[in-house]
Amino acid sequence: AQKVTQAQTEISVVEKEDVTLDCVYETRDTTYYLFWYKQPPSGELVFLIRRNSFDEQNEISGRYSWNFQKSTSSFNFTITASQVVDSAVYFCALIYNNAGNMLTFGGGTRLMVKP
Amino acid sequence: KAGVTQTPRYLIKTRGQQVTLSCSPISGHRSVSWYQQTPGQGLQFLFEYFSETQRNKGNFPGRFSGRQFSNSRSEMNVSTLELGDSALYLCASSLDVLNTEAFFGQGTRLTVV
Repeated sequence: AQKVTQAQTEISVVEKEDVTLDCVYETRDTTYYLFWYKQPPSGELVFLIRRNSFDEQNEISGRYSWNFQKSTSSFNFTITASQVVDSAVYFCALIYNNAGNMLTFGGGTRLMVKP
Repeated sequence: KAGVTQTPRYLIKTRGQQVTLSCSPISGHRSVSWYQQTPGQGLQFLFEYFSETQRNKGNFPGRFSGRQFSNSRSEMNVSTLELGDSALYLCASSLDVLNTEAFFGQGTRLTVV
């Protein structure tokens, strides 16, 4: 069975602080894909990143960075110098091989960035 | 390029009624998935359609059904509505079925009273 756990349900930071959102996953498949999505108050999920299980290279995109560690089954997301516009709910998700586009989501982390 | 369009955005129905939600994917995308989002259960996969065929189905009762048309537009139907069906229903559009990134619509917020 696949499972994604986001232990932090809510995080509050002050603008310009760095913040890391944790994601731990479980799957028996050796081939799988990990995702992060952002859900602003408007409701739609905004795609942020996709990584496959064979690519453990960390990735940086502007103020966003992701740390994928298969040894600990974690795919953590860091926002550097947070801004008020980063306030949203962030979801980590997993697709295992042969599951088409069926995403298994974590419970989400609500990030509040205060000015 | 237009994004994923879901209609209607908001809906209020009475218990026992049925409802149909619509999703138009991004042009050229052939896979459409549906998700239910509730405060208690979070985001849960309902089903995925590709080329008018259901490829995957989540753990939901038979009251939840869907279909996809030849132009890739999709509809989902919920019959005999229950209070617990109140949720945000999200549609996701993907280019194909090869574990590609999904692009979501803004959802339909269904309230059952």
